[in-house]
Amino acid sequence: SQQGEEDPQALSIQEGENATMNCSYKTSINNLQWYRQNSGRGLVHLILIRSNEREKHSGRLRVTLDTSKKSSSLLITASRAADTASYFCATFSGGSNYKLTFGKGTLLTVNP
Amino acid sequence: DTGVSQDPRHKITKRGQNVTFRCDPISEHNRLYWYRQTLGQGPEFLTYFQNEAQLEKSRLLSDRFSAERPKGSFSTLEIQRTEQGDSAMYLCASSWGSEGQPQHFGDGTRLSIL
Repeated sequence: SQQGEEDPQALSIQEGENATMNCSYKTSINNLQWYRQNSGRGLVHLILIRSNEREKHSGRLRVTLDTSKKSSSLLITASRAADTASYFCATFSGGSNYKLTFGKGTLLTVNP
Repeated sequence: DTGVSQDPRHKITKRGQNVTFRCDPISEHNRLYWYRQTLGQGPEFLTYFQNEAQLEKSRLLSDRFSAERPKGSFSTLEIQRTEQGDSAMYLCASSWGSEGQPQHFGDGTRLSIL
């Protein structure tokens, strides 16, 4: 079963614009991670935010976490065509610290 | 850091045949994972090794599936008597064992069952 659910399922923007993707999850978490997947490739880890953190930055990425609403958002600023990919949030499930559960992802298309 | 390597990248086979995939993790990583991903979905956990010990298998992993990690190095995933529903991308990942370490993924093996 999917622990995280991303919204929207697809997002199309112009280069230079900001892109925001949201993720909701069901159970309590220790941390939440975001991954990127280019078409036909494996997943690349972007950022991890712990349950006691509310916001985290990494380059052009900004992640927020609201544990009271069980939701997270990923903001990509000044998007580039190379940011075109699927983005997934993931959490550890079943009380484990190894079994990641992913949502269905948001397909981001950045038009040049 | 040479990354996680998977072989083959693509496998096309007829229904009923056996297939085997190989994963070479990042050498310093003691944890290894297999996931399956179908079109339009996120990866789904299949199984997990810590060193050579297989510590968890998902219910998705029927008795036709077997995974090994001899000597805690590379891993193989075998599917016997393949079925149409086995068509998917099979992803391998590895990580260090401590809390919060990201999982590093290979580019996967895409399996197509004719």
